[in-house]
Amino acid sequence: EAQVTQNPRYLITVTGKKLTVTCSQNMNHEYMSWYRQDPGLGLRQIYYSMNVEVTDKGDVPEGYKVSRKEKRNFPLILESPSPNQTSLYFCASSQVGVNTEAFFGQGTRLTVV
Amino acid sequence: GQSLEQPSEVTAVEGAIVQINCTYQTSGFYGLSWYQQHDGGAPTFLSYNALDGLEETGRFSSFLSRSDSYGYLLLQELQMKDSASYFCAVEYGNKLVFGAGTILRVKS
Repeated sequence: EAQVTQNPRYLITVTGKKLTVTCSQNMNHEYMSWYRQDPGLGLRQIYYSMNVEVTDKGDVPEGYKVSRKEKRNFPLILESPSPNQTSLYFCASSQVGVNTEAFFGQGTRLTVV
Repeated sequence: GQSLEQPSEVTAVEGAIVQINCTYQTSGFYGLSWYQQHDGGAPTFLSYNALDGLEETGRFSSFLSRSDSYGYLLLQELQMKDSASYFCAVEYGNKLVFGAGTILRVKS
C-alpha cells in the first residue's frame, strides 16, 4: 500500500528538549516536505527536499532542521523546541514534475510545554 | 510572496451544489490544486488544474482562470461526508503554498 508514515502521532515535550519526528514514504517519490498546520493559517511549508541531499527552506523554517540522506526518509528535527512550535505537523511526498498530487502522512500533534 | 484567499466557511444542504472560490496574488506558478481534510486528518488530493478551464472528477470539478487569478472547486450532489475543510494550493517554484482553508458544513 502506498503510504507516508510519520512517527510519533502525538508528542508532549518540554521546552529545549531536542526531538525528531520521522517521515518515511514507500512510493519512490523525489519530493518530500514538511508542513505545520495552525488554526486559521492553513498548511505552511517548513522545509522541502527535491531529492537526496537536496533540501531548502519553505515559508516558516525558523527553529527547524531537516535531512535527506535516503530517498524514502525525511526527518524533521527541532533542536530546541519552544511553545510556539506547538502545532499539527504533516509530512508529504510527491513526484516532481507530475501533477503535484501530494500524499500526506497522518500527522504529528506536538505540544511543547 | 504568494497569498491565496478562500472563504473561511461555507454552509450548504445535502444534495445541493456548492462552489468554493480561491483567489491568488502570485505569478509564474505551475498550477492550482485542491485538497480535502476531515477533522485534522491527513489532507487528501482532489484535483489539479495546470491549464485554464474545467477539470471534472466525479462529483467534484475544479476551474482555473489565470487571467483572473481565480479558481474554484465545485461540489455537486452534496453528501454529509463532504463536510470537511478544503484547501487550494499553488505550486510555485519548488514550493507548494496553501490557502487558509474553507470549512464546508453540509446540513441535512
